[in-house]
Amino acid sequence: QVQLVQSGAEVKKPGSSVKVSCKTSGDTFRKYAISWVRQAPGHRLEWMGGIIPLLGIANSAQNFQGRVTITADDSTTTVHMDLSSLGSEDTAVYYCARDRGGSYPGPLDVWGQGSQVTVSS
Amino acid sequence: EIVMTQSPATLYVSPGESATLFCRASQTISSNLAWYQHKPGQSPRLVIYGASTRATDIPARFSGSGSGTEFTLTISSLQPEDFALYYCQQYNNRPQTFGQGTRLDLK
Repeated sequence: QVQLVQSGAEVKKPGSSVKVSCKTSGDTFRKYAISWVRQAPGHRLEWMGGIIPLLGIANSAQNFQGRVTITADDSTTTVHMDLSSLGSEDTAVYYCARDRGGSYPGPLDVWGQGSQVTVSS
Repeated sequence: EIVMTQSPATLYVSPGESATLFCRASQTISSNLAWYQHKPGQSPRLVIYGASTRATDIPARFSGSGSGTEFTLTISSLQPEDFALYYCQQYNNRPQTFGQGTRLDLK
């Protein structure tokens, strides 16, 4: 069964950065894109960006440009999402998800378990 | 970006009944539309993609239809495990965008 396993919950100070990791299988890493989606309390799901791990090509939503960096480590088949300049509005559950689209957007057919990020002074 | 609007916000139904959920896109998205089921404490689960194709292991009581800007998700003969939040998502353009969700609740 295909699984994406995410890193644990984080509590961060405003202005700091957070790194959330998503461990994939080799097959997923080589054949699919990985997207990052977050859900803040009371808000809809929000696509943040994604990467094609095999090519290392990443893109991000305009709302997050300059703040989010998505990378892939082929030695561990893990995808990382770094979000900087955190504010209270970044308190959310962050999900990685397998994106069937590849170079183009696609449906998200396998999801990680979610990582809670709390930003608090 | 494309704005996705779902209706109703909450739908009250009884087990065994059918439910129809609606999703509208602010511009045409062809059939690049997915539906997700989201339960508290769990990750979203892909239910429908390509507007009408059931995802792996999704029961036949789930069906999707529509193209362009108007889409529906119908769940026939509702089972207790179907009561959840449902989101639509367009993946025609970046950024992929989601609707605000429809909550399926027990009548």
